[in-house]
Amino acid sequence: NAGVTQTPKFQVLKTGQSMTLQCAQDMNHEYMSWYRQDPGMGLRLIHYSVGAGITDQGEVPNGYNVSRSTTEDFPLRLLSAAPSQTSVYFCASSYRADLNTGELFFGEGSRLTVL
Amino acid sequence: AQKVTQAQTEISVVEKEDVTLDCVYETRDTTYYLFWYKQPPSGELVFLIRRNSFDEQNEISGRYSWNFQKSTSSFNFTITASQVVDSAVYFCALSNSGNTPLVFGKGTRLSVIA
Repeated sequence: NAGVTQTPKFQVLKTGQSMTLQCAQDMNHEYMSWYRQDPGMGLRLIHYSVGAGITDQGEVPNGYNVSRSTTEDFPLRLLSAAPSQTSVYFCASSYRADLNTGELFFGEGSRLTVL
Repeated sequence: AQKVTQAQTEISVVEKEDVTLDCVYETRDTTYYLFWYKQPPSGELVFLIRRNSFDEQNEISGRYSWNFQKSTSSFNFTITASQVVDSAVYFCALSNSGNTPLVFGKGTRLSVIA
């Protein structure tokens, strides 16, 4: 029962470096999304995907890229890391893009620090 | 536009007290879905409940109960006889029908003191 798997769990970057946060789910979920969690700000949506080949921007997409080449994977790329991207990142998926019928399953989170 | 407001940033109660977490939402849609999630100190997000806009019945699950009132756009969460294990951050969230992602409130941190 892997569910939603995020890697790495912890990462420290220097300003300007690039990296990819990986997210994989083994539940054949159509819908996947990335949120960031910052103190006092709750969870804010970065990008989401309603199926392979389809992605869309959320509330705070700047500085992040995504792609969805397979149903299982939804990586989040930071092209040039900035200290403002220090956060905890959560990947989430749902069986149906219509959240009416499916609860959102979350990964364990990835804590990123940008120095 | 969708919006979820959790006005209570932090709440502290003594064990066995009842506590209510407030959630007020804004949406123009007539069909929408409301959620509550729990984030314990370990950091994972745990789904608690989903409610659609056509079902205003209150729900009770053990010590947890939810009061949905469309007239005041509120979906409040009450914990009866709180326990230390209830200490967590609780998030209320809203989704309109179709392919609309969840919008979360900023969360309420609940501390239950023994």
